[in-house]
Amino acid sequence: DTGVSQNPRHKITKRGQNVTFRCDPISEHNRLYWYRQTLGQGPEFLTYFQNEAQLEKSRLLSDRFSAERPKGSFSTLEIQRTEQGDSAMYLCASSQEGNTQYFGPGTRLTVL
Amino acid sequence: AQTVTQSQPEMSVQEAETVTLSCTYDTSESDYYLFWYKQPPSRQMILVIRQEAYKQQNATENRFSVNFQKAAKSFSLKISDSQLGDAAMYFCAYGRQMAGYSTLTFGKGTMLLVSP
Repeated sequence: DTGVSQNPRHKITKRGQNVTFRCDPISEHNRLYWYRQTLGQGPEFLTYFQNEAQLEKSRLLSDRFSAERPKGSFSTLEIQRTEQGDSAMYLCASSQEGNTQYFGPGTRLTVL
Repeated sequence: AQTVTQSQPEMSVQEAETVTLSCTYDTSESDYYLFWYKQPPSRQMILVIRQEAYKQQNATENRFSVNFQKAAKSFSLKISDSQLGDAAMYFCAYGRQMAGYSTLTFGKGTMLLVSP
């Protein structure tokens, strides 16, 4: 059990550019979640995958955001045409049956 | 929609003392989960303790225990024998009970400072 990993850990980009983050869940976990955490706030739910199926999306996930989990293992979160308001920590979590989620270290995005 | 309120932005405690962090939540559901997570500075979120709403018994994990008052929708965390390593941001989270999964709603967090 190596834990949830996320790459990159930090990303600085210019407004209007596209960025992609990767999350590798704990190997036997079939449930994967993405959250966004802005400074001074708790994480906010973005989207949920069970295996490769995206089963729930938050209203926070605008059209510029897309997430995939093509083979039911790792997941990617892409943000197109980034805006300064997208600057945040993007957290990934995974779980098995049951409801305890284990979080990765996050990807900190800074949009200049 | 569920909401989680942590009314204490910051709390201080001395080593070896006991501190209680407050959390209240609002929901119309009867079946759900509650969690406390710890987020040390620049480090990842770690689960501290979890409580199922259908269980009347309060959860405990070593020095960490909760006071779960379902009717009052209150879920406080007690840390006994505080240690320097307990210093972190603590988040209370509500977990909706869906079909085999649970999305989390977090409070804004309480920063716990521990002094020697």
